[in-house]
Amino acid sequence: DAGITQSPRYKITETGRQVTLMCHQTWSHSYMFWYRQDLGHGLRLIYYSAAADITDKGEVPDGYVVSRSKTENFPLTLESATRSQTSVYFCASWDGGSPLHFGNGTRLTVT
Amino acid sequence: AQSVAQPEDQVNVAEGNPLTVKCTYSVSGNPYLFWYVQYPNRGLQFLLKYITGDNLVKGSYGFEAEFNKSQTSFHLKKPSALVSDSALYFCAVREGGQAGTALIFGKGTTLSVSS
Repeated sequence: DAGITQSPRYKITETGRQVTLMCHQTWSHSYMFWYRQDLGHGLRLIYYSAAADITDKGEVPDGYVVSRSKTENFPLTLESATRSQTSVYFCASWDGGSPLHFGNGTRLTVT
Repeated sequence: AQSVAQPEDQVNVAEGNPLTVKCTYSVSGNPYLFWYVQYPNRGLQFLLKYITGDNLVKGSYGFEAEFNKSQTSFHLKKPSALVSDSALYFCAVREGGQAGTALIFGKGTTLSVSS
């Protein structure tokens, strides 16, 4: 089915480890986004991408790395996870016209 | 810089009563405004948007929102609340004409509808 999928749905990792959250969309939307959702902060933009090989920082990019070698994939990597990165992460895609489409999120816990 | 404020963390309303969830925004140009809803353990679902035209926008599930340029507001409304409307609601803004910019979200308002 067409849509946007995130994996894994749940992840527990230890401080200092590298972890990658995956995002895949089947619409061929140009734009893709990563947000994190935290109580009291709503959704905050981490990184976004306007097309393959084009990425840009959002509001809270520190500690995160993204890549976009293919239009359909937009992985988010935490190079050395910290407890402050415990959050729910949402990926979204957009074709520039219709509203953003969101995945169901990845709940990440850093111990 | 663009920003969104949702002044209420929680709104409580009885089933059958009208509801309002407030949102104010700040952008330097024309605003594109959106409302999204989030149910537990799910992603955000689009409710409605204002781009241009009529200030009263109708959306999914009987929701509507009124754009007020002078007050820089975009309040979400529904004439008669349902228990199933209980969820987390987000207002978002993007500056019109700036295709390369992302949506900026408010902190969210939890709507609780009691039976």
